[in-house]
Amino acid sequence: GNSVTQMEGPVTLSEEAFLTINCTYTATGYPSLFWYVQYPGEGLQLLLKATKADDKGSNKGFEATYRKETTSFHLEKGSVQVSDSAVYFCALNKPSGSARQLTFGSGTQLTVLP
Amino acid sequence: SAVISQKPSRDICQRGTSLTIQCQVDSQVTMMFWYRQQPGQSLTLIATANQGSEATYESGFVIDKFPISRPNLTFSTLTVSNMSPEDSSIYLCSVEGRDTGELFFGEGSRLTVL
Repeated sequence: GNSVTQMEGPVTLSEEAFLTINCTYTATGYPSLFWYVQYPGEGLQLLLKATKADDKGSNKGFEATYRKETTSFHLEKGSVQVSDSAVYFCALNKPSGSARQLTFGSGTQLTVLP
Repeated sequence: SAVISQKPSRDICQRGTSLTIQCQVDSQVTMMFWYRQQPGQSLTLIATANQGSEATYESGFVIDKFPISRPNLTFSTLTVSNMSPEDSSIYLCSVEGRDTGELFFGEGSRLTVL
């Protein structure tokens, strides 16, 4: 079956540091890949996505590239801010899959210090 | 996008009692999803609630333990029945976005069972 493995947290960085949160997946076929973010006291929200190999999703300075050869979708940001402190979830879905078929990783807590 | 409100945001409950979580969406939606997020774990889909029909439960979840109501297209409730400490989790309500695999979440209801 499908599965998502995320880098374990928590991750603590200083402001303006470079961020990488690793995500690898196991799936049949060519899934769509997602990063969700959960800010303190809020629900999860979609951060970015990629639907085919070599696609790069980007939003709010975050990027992730769909790497089929390494089955990875690592989240990166060149310079983090305190406001990026949140929990980040990697997820996958099969192409045209319904929302109920999303598979989530366990989440990575990021804390950015001023 | 959709705005989802959940109540209560958190509660502390006694073993053996039941608690009902409410979810209100600001637009009409066909399906609403209920997830559980146990401490340090990924999100797990409990059930899909369709208006006018019984909820569809995922493997490992049963209606007697997690009865769901869906009286109209903007509202749903999830009851956690006969609670035990193992039910201590964050329960999240969710609806599907326009893009495949995109979900909008409420802020979650954090339950602690003593």
